[in-house]
Amino acid sequence: TQLLEQSPQFLSIQEGENLTVYCNSSSVFSSLQWYRQEPGEGPVLLVTVVTGGEVKKLKRLTFQFGDARKDSSLHITAAQTGDTGLYLCAGKMRDRGSTLGRLYFGRGTQLTVWP
Amino acid sequence: EAGVAQSPRYKIIEKRQSVAFWCNPISGHATLYWYQQILGQGPKLLIQFQNNGVVDDSQLPKDRFSAERLKGVDSTLKIQPAKLEDSAVYLCASSLAIDTQYFGPGTRLTVL
Repeated sequence: TQLLEQSPQFLSIQEGENLTVYCNSSSVFSSLQWYRQEPGEGPVLLVTVVTGGEVKKLKRLTFQFGDARKDSSLHITAAQTGDTGLYLCAGKMRDRGSTLGRLYFGRGTQLTVWP
Repeated sequence: EAGVAQSPRYKIIEKRQSVAFWCNPISGHATLYWYQQILGQGPKLLIQFQNNGVVDDSQLPKDRFSAERLKGVDSTLKIQPAKLEDSAVYLCASSLAIDTQYFGPGTRLTVL
């Protein structure tokens, strides 16, 4: 069972369109991170959100952490072909066996942006 | 600054064989992580080291998986014996601060 559910699983859009990816859970996280992963490479951290309701912007990417710290969204404005990749959300939680907190990843959203 | 190095990049073995993966973290990073990423899923933490001590191995299948970080720098992850369901990408990550992990390119393991 996935602790974090991401939707949609696949997204295929034209360059210039806007899109939103969702990351939902019934659990509360101390922080939420978004990563982008390209084929044959490891995930690369895009942003960390910590406070409920927090909004962070990274150029055309806008990240929001839900008020209850259970969900998050990633919005991309005017998508470009270079945005193509696997977008993963990851929540940090302290639970049994993890005194420092462990990252739980969602399955990811595979985004393809066509020219 | 050099990133996290992993080797080999690809490995194909038959079930019941043994395999080992190596990771060299970013210089100065005290915390090292091994993750398993099965196709179509997100990474799952297997083990976390702080220097050369284990701080979280609760999700490591200890009957067949082992990991060590003897000198607090590089690390090896071993699987013995491998099963078909171990086919995955094994990612190593390191961090200086707890919240920022830097991932290596991974080792893609195929078990036949």
